Amino acid sequence: NAGVTQTPKFRVLKTGQSMTLLCAQDMNHEYMYWYRQDPGMGLRLIHYSVGEGTTAKGEVPDGYNVSRLKKQNFLLGLESAAPSQTSVYFCASRETGSSYNSPLHFGNGTRLTVT
Amino acid sequence: GQQVMQIPQYQHVQEGEDFTTYCNSSTTLSNIQWYKQRPGGHPVFLIQLVKSGEVKKQKRLTFQFGEAKKNSSLHITATQTTDVGTYFCAARNSGYSTLTFGKGTMLLVSP
Repeated sequence: NAGVTQTPKFRVLKTGQSMTLLCAQDMNHEYMYWYRQDPGMGLRLIHYSVGEGTTAKGEVPDGYNVSRLKKQNFLLGLESAAPSQTSVYFCASRETGSSYNSPLHFGNGTRLTVT
Repeated sequence: GQQVMQIPQYQHVQEGEDFTTYCNSSTTLSNIQWYKQRPGGHPVFLIQLVKSGEVKKQKRLTFQFGEAKKNSSLHITATQTTDVGTYFCAARNSGYSTLTFGKGTMLLVSP
């Protein structure tokens, strides 16, 4: 049981390049999330999904797109990377059932640098 | 979404001293969760508080939820170097699907 797996762990992009971050969970969780973490800013929600085929915007969605074609995978895309997107990206998932009792399970993060 | 303010942003203590971080909201919270993130690591769930005035303990860690459910605290007794990290509180948003995190309190413990 690997939990939440993020790939890649590190990436350096040039401004204007595109990339996709992959998140995979093997816990059969319905809900999945993408956060970014910047110094002094805590964790800010980019996009989330409450089930296969659904996505929704979070607090800071601009410049990102997501897809949830399979329940276990949640992809985060950057179409045209900007230096402001330099950050550590965390994927998280949680089960449903009781609406507020389930904790978030985080992946190990992807450190992205845009030059 | 929900707004939660965490204080202090940073605290440096000597090993053996106590530590407290506070999480405050201007609105009533339905629940609050606490997470710990070690340096270079990812956030890990510690505990959830749901009831007004609730107090939960995990060894040297004591978590409290205020009577009005607008604030919460995490207290560590006799800190150890293994307590180093950033502690986050997180509150559920009204739509139930998402959590809003505080900005965290970074704890540094010197031996």
